[in-house]
Amino acid sequence: DIQMTQSPSSLSASVGDRVTITCQASQAINNYLNWYQQKPGKAPNLLIYDASNLETGVPSRFSGSGSGTDFTFTISSLQPEDVATYYCQQYDDLPYTFGQGTKLEIK
Amino acid sequence: EVQLVESGGGLVKPGGSLRLSCAASGFTFSPYSMNWVRQAPGKGLEWVSSISGRSSYIHYADSVKGRFTISRDNAKNSLYLQMNSLRAEDTAVYYCARSGYRNWGQGTLVTVSS
Repeated sequence: DIQMTQSPSSLSASVGDRVTITCQASQAINNYLNWYQQKPGKAPNLLIYDASNLETGVPSRFSGSGSGTDFTFTISSLQPEDVATYYCQQYDDLPYTFGQGTKLEIK
Repeated sequence: EVQLVESGGGLVKPGGSLRLSCAASGFTFSPYSMNWVRQAPGKGLEWVSSISGRSSYIHYADSVKGRFTISRDNAKNSLYLQMNSLRAEDTAVYYCARSGYRNWGQGTLVTVSS
C-alpha cells in the first residue's frame, strides 16, 4: 500500500497568513493526488485534484503543487471560514490512501 | 444536481450485520465507479471499497476484506455495503462517494457496541 505522510497534524495561523501543508507519498503517484477540506459534521469537500488543479467553484486562494512523491497545499491568505481539517489522498493505486489530516485553526 | 444519500446505519452488537444503502440521483449512475469511505469518531478518512460501473471490478481495504461486500443495482441507482462480522473498530461514519470524489453523501453512522 502507498503510505501518505501529511504534516503538520495541526496548525494555528492568523487571518491573512499564508498556510502550507505537505504530503509525502511512499512512492511516486503520477500526480494522482486530491486535497480535501472537511468541516465538523460534514463530508469532505474536494478542493484540488491531479495535485494542482483547482476544483470548480473553489476560491483561488487555495492551490496545490508538487510531483513525484512530494506535494504541497497552500492557502495564500487565510480566511476565518478556512478553519477545517485538510486531507490529501492518492488515487494512483488501490487502496486509495489518505493522509492523517491537518487541523487548521485561527490564532 | 448530483445527490448521494446514505441510509441503514445504526447500533449493532459485535459479530452482527448491517446493510448500508446509497441512493444516487442527478446523474446517470451506471457508468460511474462508486466508493465507500469511512471515518471513525475523531479520526481520519479510510477508503473501504470500490465497485466499477458494471460491477466487473471490486476492491476492498484489507481491514474489511472477507467481511464486507459491496454491490450495486444500476436499475435502482443504488449502491450497497453489506457488513458482516462487525467489530468495535468498524464504528464510523460511512460515506458513499462517486468516482473522482467530487460528490459525497452526508454519511451514515454505524456503531458497533454491546
